[in-house]
Amino acid sequence: EAGVTQFPSHSVIEKGQTVTLRCDPISGHDNLYWYRRVMGKEIKFLLHFVKESKQDESGMPNNRFLAERTGGTYSTLKVQPAELEDSGVYFCASSQIGRIETQYFGPGTRLLVL
Amino acid sequence: SQKIEQNSEALNIQEGKTATLTCNYTNYSPAYLQWYRQDPGRGPVFLLLIRENEKEKRKERLKVTFDTTLKQSLFHITASQPADSATYLCALGESSSASKIIFGSGTRLSIRP
Repeated sequence: EAGVTQFPSHSVIEKGQTVTLRCDPISGHDNLYWYRRVMGKEIKFLLHFVKESKQDESGMPNNRFLAERTGGTYSTLKVQPAELEDSGVYFCASSQIGRIETQYFGPGTRLLVL
Repeated sequence: SQKIEQNSEALNIQEGKTATLTCNYTNYSPAYLQWYRQDPGRGPVFLLLIRENEKEKRKERLKVTFDTTLKQSLFHITASQPADSATYLCALGESSSASKIIFGSGTRLSIRP
């Protein structure tokens, strides 16, 4: 069974540009989560989808971040416009319905904003 | 304020010994606590979950304890091996239905041959 995949693995962009990160959850997992780790800090929750609906987006830092999960399969996280403090590692995780506790993480996308 | 604290310094252990990692939390009442392993360039990998009404959990060479009075969890790796070298993350969930897992900053463990 394939795990959670994320694309790209790395992205280097300039301040003010737009970047879109993609996450493909494990097949059949209705729950999808985004987290990020900025330099020197712990991993922090961004938001949670159940299928295509946003269940909890309390961790989204500001309105420059837009997450979508059209069709309830893969998800995208767009940062527009990117700022220097957005640099970090963005992780996606997924879990089966009713199994919020057991989340499987992807390898992350390393974003560097210059 | 709420916080989760793990040993900030790296832990260096001789192969074969038991490694013990500590996780303390403040101003949380977690429904469960988890331990993850993270290798460089990879995402966290779930290892063990222990619930608030449980004192101890074991899985092969791993053991986790949970003391809600002390607000502390201990994570033990017995008969440690160089392959156990990684960063270990403590995380908690405030309820079984809450979306987010709250992570500590992790402890880097090195097992020397």
